[in-house]
Amino acid sequence: AQSVSQHNHHVILSEAASLELGCNYSYGGTVNLFWYVQYPGQHLQLLLKYFSGDPLVKGIKGFEAEFIKSKFSFNLRKPSVQWSDTAEYFCAVNPKTSYDKVIFGPGTSLSVIP
Amino acid sequence: DVKVTQSSRYLVKRTGEKVFLECVQDMDHENMFWYRQDPGLGLRLIYFSYDVKMKEKGDIPEGYSVSREKKERFSLILESASTNQTSMYLCASRNRDNTYSNQPQHFGDGTRLSIL
Repeated sequence: AQSVSQHNHHVILSEAASLELGCNYSYGGTVNLFWYVQYPGQHLQLLLKYFSGDPLVKGIKGFEAEFIKSKFSFNLRKPSVQWSDTAEYFCAVNPKTSYDKVIFGPGTSLSVIP
Repeated sequence: DVKVTQSSRYLVKRTGEKVFLECVQDMDHENMFWYRQDPGLGLRLIYFSYDVKMKEKGDIPEGYSVSREKKERFSLILESASTNQTSMYLCASRNRDNTYSNQPQHFGDGTRLSIL
């Protein structure tokens, strides 16, 4: 079955530390890729997305992600985190042969300590 | 800005009751989705709809049904609620993808449903 995995369930960092959250998917065909963020008490919102072209995509708030097709990965990075980045982060995959179906990973909870 | 509105933020129901969760979007999106969100499991797709009166099962459709009579409204129905359906339910909508771009989902605030 198609699935999305995220490497860490919970990550704790100090402010200014660098962040990398791993995401892998099991689908073998062409995919659209997304990272969503859910801040405490808020609804999910889009951080960034990959459709085609440059595998390094930039999103809001200084986040970026790199698509490595050979590794079926779409890892999220930020060079220096802030306390306001405390949130839950979800990777999501949309197989292009199934235009309407979006599969989410289990999420990674990030806590940033001031 | 896209607005996805879920009818209730919190809901408490009893085992065996028929439960309706409503979702309305204001951007004329073709696709609408229902997920449940549980700690450690992320978002799991229950059903989605790609057009009026059209629906597809997601990964965990058992115990649920849906209705989409109008484009802007997508309802989730728990036919006979059980305690294992206690969860956060999220509705989302998005435009259909085209050749030139992929479309992100827009989420509602969620309904926290407790079945007693």
